[in-house]
Amino acid sequence: DTAVSQTPKYLVTQMGNDKSIKCEQNLGHDTMYWYKQDSKKFLKIMFSYNNKELIINETVPNRFSPKSPDKAHLNLHINSLELGDSAVYFCASSQVLAGVSQETQYFGPGTRLLVL
Amino acid sequence: RKEVEQDPGPFNVPEGATVAFNCTYSNSASQSFFWYRQDCRKEPKLLMSVYSSGNEDGRFTAQLNRASQYISLLIRDSKLSDSATYLCVVNIPYNQGGKLIFGQGTELSVKP
Repeated sequence: DTAVSQTPKYLVTQMGNDKSIKCEQNLGHDTMYWYKQDSKKFLKIMFSYNNKELIINETVPNRFSPKSPDKAHLNLHINSLELGDSAVYFCASSQVLAGVSQETQYFGPGTRLLVL
Repeated sequence: RKEVEQDPGPFNVPEGATVAFNCTYSNSASQSFFWYRQDCRKEPKLLMSVYSSGNEDGRFTAQLNRASQYISLLIRDSKLSDSATYLCVVNIPYNQGGKLIFGQGTELSVKP
């Protein structure tokens, strides 16, 4: 039974297109995150949501818009895709916000985005 | 100085070897520390949390030195299945943004 799931797993698209990635967690956690892992393997926080409220927005271009319809879901919509958006996007969840306690984050399998 | 800095890899070791990874962090207010493991083309998974007193989980030992802002991971009796990238992870306290900072990772390759 998958704890954090993402769809799609792979996404190949043309520059300028708009695409969405969906994330769901069945762990009952209050906090969800989006991370980007670039070609150099750096994993960086993009957004965090706690109880559907945006907590962190890490200087991400406003072409990226997260949406949390409920605590179990955090989707990522990307407008006008650029070549530099090619990366692996990971969704994650934890019971409480990172920085509050020694709390494990559980990651989804990742969405490999390739912009041509 | 990078927020979290790790030993450059890759580390290529024979089975049965002992290998140590080091990590330094820049924010003295950080309170939570972790080692995550990431297999090729997979998601990161928690390997172990790191506590002030040091902690051990089987063949893995993690140490924390707050004064030097230094974290280490020791793997004894390496197995082929230990081959992965090991990520040092440090938290930024909630009053400074509340997030996890990941190091760039150290790749370990255990050979027969």
